[in-house]
Amino acid sequence: ELKVEQNPLFLSMQEGKNYTIYCNYSTTSDRLYWYRQDPGKSLESLFVLLSNGAVKQEGRLMASLDTKARLSTLHITAAVHDLSATYFCAVERETSGSRLTFGEGTQLTVNP
Amino acid sequence: DTGVSQNPRHKITKRGQNVTFRCDPISEHNRLYWYRQTLGQGPEFLTYFQNEAQLEKSRLLSDRFSAERPKGSFSTLEIQRTEQGDSAMYLCASSWWDPAAETQYFGPGTRLLVL
Repeated sequence: ELKVEQNPLFLSMQEGKNYTIYCNYSTTSDRLYWYRQDPGKSLESLFVLLSNGAVKQEGRLMASLDTKARLSTLHITAAVHDLSATYFCAVERETSGSRLTFGEGTQLTVNP
Repeated sequence: DTGVSQNPRHKITKRGQNVTFRCDPISEHNRLYWYRQTLGQGPEFLTYFQNEAQLEKSRLLSDRFSAERPKGSFSTLEIQRTEQGDSAMYLCASSWWDPAAETQYFGPGTRLLVL
């Protein structure tokens, strides 16, 4: 059974600081996704990582994938309050299925 | 197109009643997914369709749950004889299947409360 673990689960940081969220998964996979969820809202797609060594950046967020280590990171640079949300990584199985298996989420709070 | 839509957005029901939710995917998308999310957790996969065919069901989908996508467009998820444990956010997502890359776009969800 595919398991996806994120850490930390809760992150409180000050504006302007940098931090990294980690996502580990238990079996081989082709694809890894990062989503953002604001309170009471649905999920917004941030990144799709398709191969080993993939790196994608959008604004203050950068995501990377190491399939050999079964690890993805979401790096936050110079955090701002607007980044406060819950961030989920999700893994797609290597075999035929398209189901996503999500981590528990990292609740990020950026304090002024 | 305005994205994936779901109705109703909120539903309160009494234990034992039946409920039905509707999802309208992005129009050109051929895949449609249902997930369930409880407070403080990530979404859990329930089932998905490619066009009108239901290709996979999670073991979370008990006999009380049924999903349909009759014409390969909108989908319905019905829960019969609801239980308090069914209280959750039910999320629908759609995608255009592409072996190279597939992003699932999520709707706003239907929040179910079973009293």
